[in-house]
Amino acid sequence: QPVLTQSSSASASLGSSVKLTCTLSSGHRSYIIAWHQQQPGKAPRYLMKLEGSGSYNKGSGVPDRFSGSSSGADRYLTISNLQSEDEADYYCETWDSNTQVFGGGTKLTVL
Amino acid sequence: QLQLQESGPGLVKPSETLSLTCTVSGGSISSGTSYWGWIRQPPGKGLEWIGSISYSGSTYYNPSLKSRVTISVDTSKNQFSLKLSSVTAADTAVYYCASRGIAGAFDIWGQGTMVTVSS
Repeated sequence: QPVLTQSSSASASLGSSVKLTCTLSSGHRSYIIAWHQQQPGKAPRYLMKLEGSGSYNKGSGVPDRFSGSSSGADRYLTISNLQSEDEADYYCETWDSNTQVFGGGTKLTVL
Repeated sequence: QLQLQESGPGLVKPSETLSLTCTVSGGSISSGTSYWGWIRQPPGKGLEWIGSISYSGSTYYNPSLKSRVTISVDTSKNQFSLKLSSVTAADTAVYYCASRGIAGAFDIWGQGTMVTVSS
């Protein structure tokens, strides 16, 4: 079963960019993942699907400021021109034939 | 546009069974490629996948919860349901239902419902 590792917290200034990382466990480096955003007090929102090649497909209505990339076992979510509403928890997710797995989440603070 | 809504008791006594229903609107639960799932989030903690079901009733569960979980589907009502038996305070959480898209990820989420386990 795959395991996803995320840093517990990150911070960046308003208007700047930030790159969040999700690392796949050994033996699962090729897996596709998804990124979700959870604003305070709200349900998670699907942001995008991200492949090991770095190709990504965003969900409906996700701003252009959000992009994805990959390197080896790492999957990245980059948020450009940070806005106050981007302050949220970000979770990565992956799946196998009979399982779905979430990372522990990264709490992003916009300074 | 597909929407999901959870419903069920907000308070459950220890050792009893937690029962929740997810109603799907804006689309059919019987769509050929659809899988539906339950995810929970204890207060202040991360997301935990509970289990998933296809429209035809095929299920798979989180191994850590498998002995206590049953997920079922009612296509006539466009609903799927969660039952979690022998609950304890550790099962206190916000419970979400979600739709697993063709890509494999949960891409549409319900708003969530808080369930507290307490006597």
